[in-house]
Amino acid sequence: DGGITQSPKYLFRKEGQNVTLSCEQNLNHDAMYWYRQDPGQGLRLIYYSQIVNDFQKGDIAEGYSVSREKKESFPLTVTSAQKNPTAFYLCASSDRDSDNQPQHFGDGTRLSIL
Amino acid sequence: DAKTTQPPSMDCAEGRAANLPCNHSTISGNEYVYWYRQIHSQGPQYIIHGLKNNETNEMASLIITEDRKSSTLILPHATLRDTAVYYCIVRVYMNSGYSTLTFGKGTMLLVSP
Repeated sequence: DGGITQSPKYLFRKEGQNVTLSCEQNLNHDAMYWYRQDPGQGLRLIYYSQIVNDFQKGDIAEGYSVSREKKESFPLTVTSAQKNPTAFYLCASSDRDSDNQPQHFGDGTRLSIL
Repeated sequence: DAKTTQPPSMDCAEGRAANLPCNHSTISGNEYVYWYRQIHSQGPQYIIHGLKNNETNEMASLIITEDRKSSTLILPHATLRDTAVYYCIVRVYMNSGYSTLTFGKGTMLLVSP
C-alpha cells in the first residue's frame, strides 16, 4: 500500500545524545515536512523540503537537522541542542507544495527523555 | 496569517449528522481551507479541502460561506469511529515561498451510542 512510514514508533533519548527519526514515503511526493506536537496542542512545523537536496527551516527548527538525499526519505535528527525534545513527531508529504495539494501524514514517533 | 477558531468540543449521537463549525474571518482570497482529524496517538488524517465552492467526498461535505469567513464540516452519519479531534486549517504561503499548515487545538468530537 502507498503511504508514509515513520520509525520507530517509540524512541528514548539519553541526555546529550543525538537521535534520528526515520520517514519514508512511496507516494512519489515531491514535498515532505516534519512537525512537532506537544500534549493538548496543535502541530508546529520544524523543517520542510520541496525537492531533493533542498530544505527550509520552519517555525521551530532550532536543535533539529534534516537531510533530503532521496525523494522518498526525509530523516529528522534531534540534536543535544534541543533542550526539550519530548514530543510526538509527525512526518508528512504532499504532491506539490504550490498546487494546494493536501498533506498526508505518517503515524508518528513518540520521543521521550530517559 | 489567517487564523481559525473552532469550539473546543462537541457531542453527536451515533447515526446523526455531525456539523463542525470553523471561523476564518481573516482568510485571504487564495487561501484554501483544509480539514483533518486526529485519533489519539495517530497522525492526522486528511478529510477534505476547498477554496470557495462546496465540496463533497466519500468522508464528508464542506460548506464554505459566500464571504469565505466561515465553513462547516459535515459528517452525514456519524459513527463511534468518528470520535476524534477535528482541525480546520488555512494553508498559508510565507514570504520565503513555502507554505505551512497551522494546526490549532481543534474540536474534540465525541460520538455517543
